[in-house]
Amino acid sequence: ETGVTQTPRHLVMGMTNKKSLKCEQHLGHNAMYWYKQSAKKPLELMFVYNFKEQTENNSVPSRFSPECPNSSHLFLHLHTLQPEDSALYLCASSQGVNEQFFGPGTRLTVL
Amino acid sequence: AQSVSQHNHHVILSEAASLELGCNYSYGGTVNLFWYVQYPGQHLQLLLKYFSGDPLVKGIKGFEAEFIKSKFSFNLRKPSVQWSDTAEYFCAVTGSYGNKLVFGAGTILRVKS
Repeated sequence: ETGVTQTPRHLVMGMTNKKSLKCEQHLGHNAMYWYKQSAKKPLELMFVYNFKEQTENNSVPSRFSPECPNSSHLFLHLHTLQPEDSALYLCASSQGVNEQFFGPGTRLTVL
Repeated sequence: AQSVSQHNHHVILSEAASLELGCNYSYGGTVNLFWYVQYPGQHLQLLLKYFSGDPLVKGIKGFEAEFIKSKFSFNLRKPSVQWSDTAEYFCAVTGSYGNKLVFGAGTILRVKS
């Protein structure tokens, strides 16, 4: 059982919908991350949170809004997405600069 | 800007063949280097990492990688692959004092039994 869980595992939404992705880590880590994995493209870092504070926003459009209420939980709020936002969204956590542990991902389809 | 280049997108090998996957990075400082693996239907997991010390690092399942600083390379090797090594392999780099991981595009390995 992975120490990083993500829900939902699959999500289909229309361009006018609002939805949220949830990530929880059970490893006691102090950093959490959102990545986007699209077909035939490298894994793209979206956001980094260290000690609940956002320390990296990798030029992500504002239709993606992260939230980190505590060091164990991370959300990605989605609104007015585009079809090209369809991808696998991965959450990860780490203790500082040590290796990152990944969750199973949410497969998002935007219609 | 940091970048990671993986030389082959698809590799097909027969069981017992030797494997070497190339990885080169571009980064203007000291680095931490990683290889991650994603088996079919599973999530990304760490294969091995290099932070400092012996440039030849050993990971799980018989994999090893060698950090060659002068070549900005961190190639992954395994002397004899198995069918169960079929997976996608990702090289990644971060600065030594940061946690902003930059990934390569990945190499899909298929091992024929």
